[in-house]
Order: sequence, then C-alpha cells, then structure tokens
Amino acid sequence: AQKVTQAQTEISVVEKEDVTLDCVYETRDTTYYLFWYKQPPSGELVFLIRRNSFDEQNEISGRYSWNFQKSTSSFNFTITASQVVDSAVYFCALSEARRGKLIFGQGTELSVKP
Amino acid sequence: DTAVSQTPKYLVTQMGNDKSIKCEQNLGHDTMYWYKQDSKKFLKIMFSYNNKELIINETVPNRFSPKSPDKAHLNLHINSLELGDSAVYFCASSQETYGYTFGSGTRLTVV
Repeated sequence: AQKVTQAQTEISVVEKEDVTLDCVYETRDTTYYLFWYKQPPSGELVFLIRRNSFDEQNEISGRYSWNFQKSTSSFNFTITASQVVDSAVYFCALSEARRGKLIFGQGTELSVKP
Repeated sequence: DTAVSQTPKYLVTQMGNDKSIKCEQNLGHDTMYWYKQDSKKFLKIMFSYNNKELIINETVPNRFSPKSPDKAHLNLHINSLELGDSAVYFCASSQETYGYTFGSGTRLTVV
C-alpha cells in the first residue's frame, strides 16, 4: 500500500536557522513521483517540487533543497537560513504512475520566529 | 488568469441542507480531483475524473456526488449536510502525473 509519513508534526525555529523536514514513503511501484507542497496561513496549496523515482539527484532552489534517497525511501526538504515567511504547513506527497492520485503525508507545521 | 478556480470560497450552511461547490480549470488537463482537508490539516482524496469519467471514488458517503459536465469542470454536490462535513474542500487538476494544480479551497462550515 502507498503511504507517506511525516513524523514531525510541528517544528519551531528562530530566523536564520536551517531546518530539515523529513518525509518517508512506502510504495510497491517502481515508477512513482514525489512532491512537496507548502500551505501558508492563507490556506492555498503551493507546489514546490516534483521528483520522479528514477532521478535521485538532489535539487536546490534558492534557500530550498531536497534530498531524495531511494535506499531509505526518504525525500527530505531543507530550508537554509529560514525566514518568517517560511512559516507554513509543508506536505510531502506520493503519486504512483498507474493510479495518479496524490497521497499526502500528515504535514509538518513550521513556525519561524523572528 | 486563475488556473483552477473554485466557488464559493466560504460556505456556511445549516445541517440538513444541500449545497454545491463548483470547480473549473483552464489548463487543458485531463484529470480533476476533489480533496478534503479536515480540521487536523490531513488531506485525503475523495474523487477523481478523467475526461468526464469517474476513475477514483474513495470511501465517501453517498451524500457526496461529483459531476463533470466536461473535462474542464468538476462540481461537488453534497446532500443532507452534517456537522462532520465541515472542512476545506480542494479541487485540483493534473495532466498525467506531471503536476497537480490546486484551487484555493472552499471552507465549508455546517452549523
């Protein structure tokens, strides 16, 4: 069965600290896709990244970086030098190629204090 | 131009009423979805349509009925609303698994 686990329910950091959000997934498929979404206090779901199961290269986008490791079924997300605007709920999600639906983790609420 | 738009944004209604939420996408995507986000922020798929055909129907009460008049629209009708239906409902669309675009959500409050 497909499953996504975000073990950290809440994280609180002080501005400029680095923070890593963990994501562990389960799937029997060899072809699948992993996603991260941000949900700020305003409520919309903002797409951050999509990764397919054949591409294990790490990705960096500004202060954001993602570490995909198939060996541990993890897709972790790091924010470097966090800012107050990063405060949001972050969701990791999995989609299997043949099913198409997104399975979400429970979300991690990140609070960045000034 | 909003890619996935859903209306209304807020909906407050009494128990027992029937209500609808509308969703439209202008991305040309083939697949549309309804997701429910509960009070603990957990997001769960309810339905999925591909080119007007129902392809995913999770364990959802029969009071919820999706309707897709064309591939750009997916509406959600809810009969006999209950307190437990209070949640945020998100519409989304995708083209295969290249990316999922979500609407801004409809906050439904049943009183």
